[in-house]
Amino acid sequence: GQNIDQPTEMTATEGAIVQINCTYQTSGFNGLFWYQQHAGEAPTFLSYNVLDGLEEKGRFSSFLSRSKGYSYLLLKELQMKDSASYLCAAPDYNQGGKLIFGQGTELSVKP
Amino acid sequence: DVKVTQSSRYLVKRTGEKVFLECVQDMDHENMFWYRQDPGLGLRLIYFSYDVKMKEKGDIPEGYSVSREKKERFSLILESASTNQTSMYLCASSRGAWDTGELFFGEGSRLTVL
Repeated sequence: GQNIDQPTEMTATEGAIVQINCTYQTSGFNGLFWYQQHAGEAPTFLSYNVLDGLEEKGRFSSFLSRSKGYSYLLLKELQMKDSASYLCAAPDYNQGGKLIFGQGTELSVKP
Repeated sequence: DVKVTQSSRYLVKRTGEKVFLECVQDMDHENMFWYRQDPGLGLRLIYFSYDVKMKEKGDIPEGYSVSREKKERFSLILESASTNQTSMYLCASSRGAWDTGELFFGEGSRLTVL
């Protein structure tokens, strides 16, 4: 079966660091995606991890541990504009590789 | 930049009406997808297409059909709209392998069925 779990919501302070976790159970594995979605807008791609380890892109980093079925998105130097929903997704090969999304983590950044 | 355009941002329809949602992408992407997004349920795949005239069912195809007559256009059809199809509908496209390609989403079409 397939399952992607992430916290429903998180709150953090402007300037701080926040870590959004995602655990997955999918049949087969070929990478994990993170997308950002601001309220009322389309999701936009943030990262794609295939190999274990941390990948850094400016203020955003994404980590993957395939053996643990675990990923996290790390946001540094939080800004108000980072308030958004963060979606974790992975293809599930029990379903032909269709991309399965978690429910999303609603991040609120407070001043 | 990739642009995925959905024909209508907001629609209000009555139960039993036929509804067409159109999606056009301008980057020659092979793959196109239709998702619906509901609070607490996240994004769920309705149908996708990896080539012209090809279609594959997603997680929740019941009550929907699709059409891809041209590479750039992917239409979602609700043959007889029902209130439980009130939702945000998102179209997306991607290049290359359809399971690992970055998705480019349209702005979404918010459908209300009365």
